[in-house]
Parts: sequence; C-alpha cells; structure tokens
Amino acid sequence: DVKVTQSSRYLVKRTGEKVFLECVQDMDHENMFWYRQDPGLGLRLIYFSYDVKMKEKGDIPEGYSVSREKKERFSLILESASTNQTSMYLCASSLGGGYQETQYFGPGTRLLVL
Amino acid sequence: DQQVKQNSPSLSVQEGRISILNCDYTNSMFDYFLWYKKYPAEGPTFLISISSIKDKNEDGRFTVFLNKSAKHLSLHIVPSQPGDSAVYFCAASLIQGAQKLVFGQGTRLTINP
Repeated sequence: DVKVTQSSRYLVKRTGEKVFLECVQDMDHENMFWYRQDPGLGLRLIYFSYDVKMKEKGDIPEGYSVSREKKERFSLILESASTNQTSMYLCASSLGGGYQETQYFGPGTRLLVL
Repeated sequence: DQQVKQNSPSLSVQEGRISILNCDYTNSMFDYFLWYKKYPAEGPTFLISISSIKDKNEDGRFTVFLNKSAKHLSLHIVPSQPGDSAVYFCAASLIQGAQKLVFGQGTRLTINP
C-alpha cells in the first residue's frame, strides 16, 4: 500500500510566521503534489515536482514555495503566513513516467493562521 | 475558470437505493477521469477511474459512466450504504504534459438509514 504521511494534522500559526509543511511518501514515487482544499472550491494545485530538486507552479502558487531535496520528501513553505492561507493542505504522490496515473493522498494538515 | 464542475454541493439518498453523482467538464483535452472519496479529517482516497477511450467502468458497487460528447461523467453507487456518506470529488487529467489533476468542487453524499 502507498503511504503518504504529513508531519502535522493540525497547526496554528500567527500572521507573518514562516510555516513548513512536510510530506513523505514511502513508495519511491517520482511525482509529488501540494493542494489546498477550501469549501466550495474543491482541491486546487499549489506546486508539484517531477523529480528531486525539480518544481513546477500549479494554479495558485502565490505566497508559497516548495523544496524537494530527497525523492521521498516534499515540503511546502509559507514564507509569511496570512489569514487567507487558513486551509486544509493535502500532499499527494504518483508513480511518474507513466500515463493516466492515480495520485495517492496523505491525511492532510489543517492550518489556522491567526 | 472552473474546468471541472460538480453542480450539486450535496445529495441525500436512502440506504439501499442508487446514488448518482454528476460531473461536467469543459476541456476536451481531458483524457482520464477519476473519482475520489473523502471523509472528514482524512485525505481523499481513490475510488474508480475511466479512460476517455471507454464509456463505462465498473468496480463492485461503483460504476463510472463517461459521455464525451456531452463532456459529462457520473458515478453510480448501488446499493448505497451508510459508509458511503462522504464528500466525492471528480478529477480530470490532460493527455499530455504534467500528470496534474483538475478537481471539481465536491459533492457531499449522505446515506440515510
């Protein structure tokens, strides 16, 4: 079974703080993704990565950055947290190199920015 | 611009009856469609998928239908069970390029005993 883990289930941060969300997958997947889920908006892609040290912007990258130093780990960074970044953050991974792939999700991190 | 739309935010169905969840898309380049199920405080879990070369895919109680001319897909659950109560997301990916998924807004399904 694919296992995607996220470092925290719940986080409370203050406006202006730098926030790190960590994601680890144990299936040697090439691709990793960060989404945020908001009511009525579904899941929106923030950033994704095809390989170590590779990153691509998704649909809503503003205010975020990412880091992928090792294949199994993909970090999402909020450089200066703002209240509109309060959301559920979901990490996913997929095998990569293929076609019509399925993404597997972690349990999510619910972030509250005060 | 919402390329994948689930126009029903919620659906309530009696246990044992059929649940039908709908999804519409606008981009004709989408070639692979997936349904995910999400319980509160958990990540989405993959349910079923369909390639654009098919019009139906079945897995146990779950069947997905694809109508390419109408740019519409639906998920049928029969018979519906209380454990099916969750939020369901449809998602689509493009033929080329990134294996990115575009998600709909989700439909909250409630199965009543």
